[in-house]
Order: sequence, then structure tokens, then C-alpha cells
Amino acid sequence: DVKVTQSSRYLVKRTGEKVFLECVQDMDHENMFWYRQDPGLGLRLIYFSYDVKMKEKGDIPEGYSVSREKKERFSLILESASTNQTSMYLCASSDRWGAQNQPQHFGDGTRLSIL
Amino acid sequence: RKEVEQDPGPFNVPEGATVAFNCTYSNSASQSFFWYRQDCRKEPKLLMSVYSSGNEDGRFTAQLNRASQYISLLIRDSKLSDSATYLCVVTPNTGGFKTIFGAGTRLFVKA
Repeated sequence: DVKVTQSSRYLVKRTGEKVFLECVQDMDHENMFWYRQDPGLGLRLIYFSYDVKMKEKGDIPEGYSVSREKKERFSLILESASTNQTSMYLCASSDRWGAQNQPQHFGDGTRLSIL
Repeated sequence: RKEVEQDPGPFNVPEGATVAFNCTYSNSASQSFFWYRQDCRKEPKLLMSVYSSGNEDGRFTAQLNRASQYISLLIRDSKLSDSATYLCVVTPNTGGFKTIFGAGTRLFVKA
């Protein structure tokens, strides 16, 4: 079974802090993703990565950055946390067979509150 | 128009009922299709892939209609445990790796 592990289930931080969310997958997947999910808005893609040291902006990258130094680890960074970044953050990974992407597998999510 | 659209529901059905969800997508070159299930305050989990010829997994049947650009999910003999949000997922054939999630359809199965 694929295992995607996010470092924290619940996190409370203060406005202006730099926040790190970590994600590790154990299946040697090529692709990794960060989403946020808010009521009524569904899943929104923040950033994704299709290889080590590679990253691509998703739909809502503003205020976020990412790092992928190793294949199994994908970090999301909130440079200066703001209250509108309070949300559920979900990490996912997927394999890639040629040009075809396989289903994504998600971590448990991190509920982040910015005070 | 959204790239992937679903009826948000909620669908309220009694146990044992048959319920069907549809999902439309706008990119005719879309390549891969999936249904995910998400329980309240949990992560989405893959329910099933959707193949061109249609496929079945127990009480669940998924169908793809490329001509009309929609996919469907049929749940037979609904159980209380089927109560969840069902997400339609489409991967466009653009050479990139972006997957598009629908906003989900909420299902409540009642005793």
C-alpha cells in the first residue's frame, strides 16, 4: 500500500511566522502535489513537482513556496503566514507510466490555523 | 465554465437505494478518469478508475462517455457507510501532470 505521511495533523501558528509542512512518500513516486481544501471551494492545487528539484506552480501559488531535494520528500513553505492561509493542506503523490499519470494517493492532511 | 463539474447535492437516499452521479468535463482530450471518495474531515481516497469500456467493482459501476464528455458513478444497494463526498477526477492529455478535481457530490444514506 502507498503511504503518504504528513508531518502534523494539526498545527497552530501566528501571523507572520514562516511555516513548514513536510510530506514523505514511500513508493518512489515521480509526482508530488500540495493542495489546500476549503469548504465550498474543493481541492485547489498550490504546487506540484514531477522530479527532484523540479517544481511547477498550481492554481494558487501566491504566498507559498516548495522544496523537493529528495524524491520522497516534498515540503510546502508559507513564507509569512497570514490568516487567509488557515486551511486543510493535503499532500499527494502519484506514479507516472510514460506520459500517463496514475491516480494520486493522499496523506492524512494537516489542519493549519493561523492566529 | 469549470473544467470539471459535478452536482454538489446533497443526495439523500434510503439504505438499499440505487444512486447515480454524473460529472462533465470540458477538455475533449482528457486522458484518465477516476472517482475518489472523501469522508468528513478525512483525505480523499481512490474509489475506482474509469475505463473506456466501463467497469464494475462490487456495488459500484463507473462509465465513461467520451462523445458527451461525462463520466458516471452508479452505487447499487446503498449502505450507511457509503455516506461521503464523491469526487470526479480528470487528467487532461496536455503533456503536463495536472489533475483536475471536481468539487464533489455529497451523499447521505439513511436507515
